[in-house]
Amino acid sequence: KNQVEQSPQSLIILEGKNCTLQCNYTVSPFSNLRWYKQDTGRGPVSLTIMTFSENTKSNGRYTATLDADTKQSSLHITASQLSDSASYICVVSALVTGGGNKLTFGTGTQLKVEL
Amino acid sequence: DSGVTQTPKHLITATGQRVTLRCSPRSGDLSVYWYQQSLDQGLQFLIQYYNGEERAKGNILERFSAQQFPDLHSELNLSSLELGDSALYFCASSVGAFPDTQYFGPGTRLTVL
Repeated sequence: KNQVEQSPQSLIILEGKNCTLQCNYTVSPFSNLRWYKQDTGRGPVSLTIMTFSENTKSNGRYTATLDADTKQSSLHITASQLSDSASYICVVSALVTGGGNKLTFGTGTQLKVEL
Repeated sequence: DSGVTQTPKHLITATGQRVTLRCSPRSGDLSVYWYQQSLDQGLQFLIQYYNGEERAKGNILERFSAQQFPDLHSELNLSSLELGDSALYFCASSVGAFPDTQYFGPGTRLTVL
């Protein structure tokens, strides 16, 4: 069964500090891995998307890594800001017959950045 | 603003009823995805359409159905509604079927009383 597990479930950090969120998955056949940021009550916003051959990708202060051998990914946030407070969701995509994507979502890490 | 629009924003209805949620993708996007997000669960992928054809299916109940029309807008039909169907329903779109970035709409909040 395809699964995506994220840790920690929630995290509180001080503004300006760095943090790393983890994602472990058992999804096959693997297509790509995405990180999303979701503010409460709003639609998720894509941060990064990585295919099998990519092991790191950055988007501003967000850097995602992927180890396809161990089936692990991390999202590193540098110099956190209050606006980073949100849920961060790891999504792993499996290829399906016909060329579509079947997406498996993690339950997210709830990040709170405080002064 | 992602460019994906969803209507209505809020919907309150009773058990046993049927509702239709509507999604218009970003201009030029051919894929539409539907998701359900309940309070106690993360986002659940329901179904994907690409250029009018069903492309991938997730955990979509038999009481639910969807379609994508020639103008690429999509509708999600929910019937015989139950209390447990209360959730946020998101639509997302992408240019192709794989492995594009998805853009999410603002969601429709469905409350079943």
